[in-house]
Amino acid sequence: NAGVMQNPRHLVRRRGQEARLRCSPMKGHSHVYWYRQLPEEGLKFMVYLQKENIIDESGMPKERFSAEFPKEGPSILRIQQVVRGDSAAYFCASSPPVTDTQYFGPGTRLTVL
Amino acid sequence: EDKVVQSPLSLVVHEGDTVTLNCSYEVTNFRSLLWYKQEKKAPTFLFMLTSSGIEKKSGRLSSILDKKELFSILNITATQTGDSAIYLCAVGVIQGAQKLVFGQGTRLTINP
Repeated sequence: NAGVMQNPRHLVRRRGQEARLRCSPMKGHSHVYWYRQLPEEGLKFMVYLQKENIIDESGMPKERFSAEFPKEGPSILRIQQVVRGDSAAYFCASSPPVTDTQYFGPGTRLTVL
Repeated sequence: EDKVVQSPLSLVVHEGDTVTLNCSYEVTNFRSLLWYKQEKKAPTFLFMLTSSGIEKKSGRLSSILDKKELFSILNITATQTGDSAIYLCAVGVIQGAQKLVFGQGTRLTINP
């Protein structure tokens, strides 16, 4: 059973470009979560999705950030017009229904030049 | 605002020592407390605790939760260099939907 997959592992963008981060949950998991980890800080919740639904996006910046989890395919975290402050590690986690145990992917390290 | 605080932030010990990592929390709608180990990549799940006073154990690692005093500890006995990592404490909360609130982590270094 493959774990949570994220790609790319490293992404470099120039200011103003778009970043797309992908996450494939573990088999059988229908819940996906995105977290951001800034240097020397803990993980901060961004958004929680189920298939075709955003359940909680209270941790997502109001502008430039969006997330989706379509019926088919991976979950996507999209950052438009990136700025230097978006440089961070973005982790995706998945869980089966009705459990708090979340399993994390290896993360995508975004660097904005 | 929900808050999870870990201490110490950094700890350096010798191989064979026993360490205790602390996690205190202040959240509304507590559901569970989880410990993760983070090396260079994905945080790896260690334990989930929901009830006070029941110790969870896995090899040299153990953890216990005190819901009255709002804290948890993670113990590692007979430490090995492979235990060097950042240990993350997270609290599961329900605010319309479930999510994890993380502490800032404890960076543990085991010297041979």
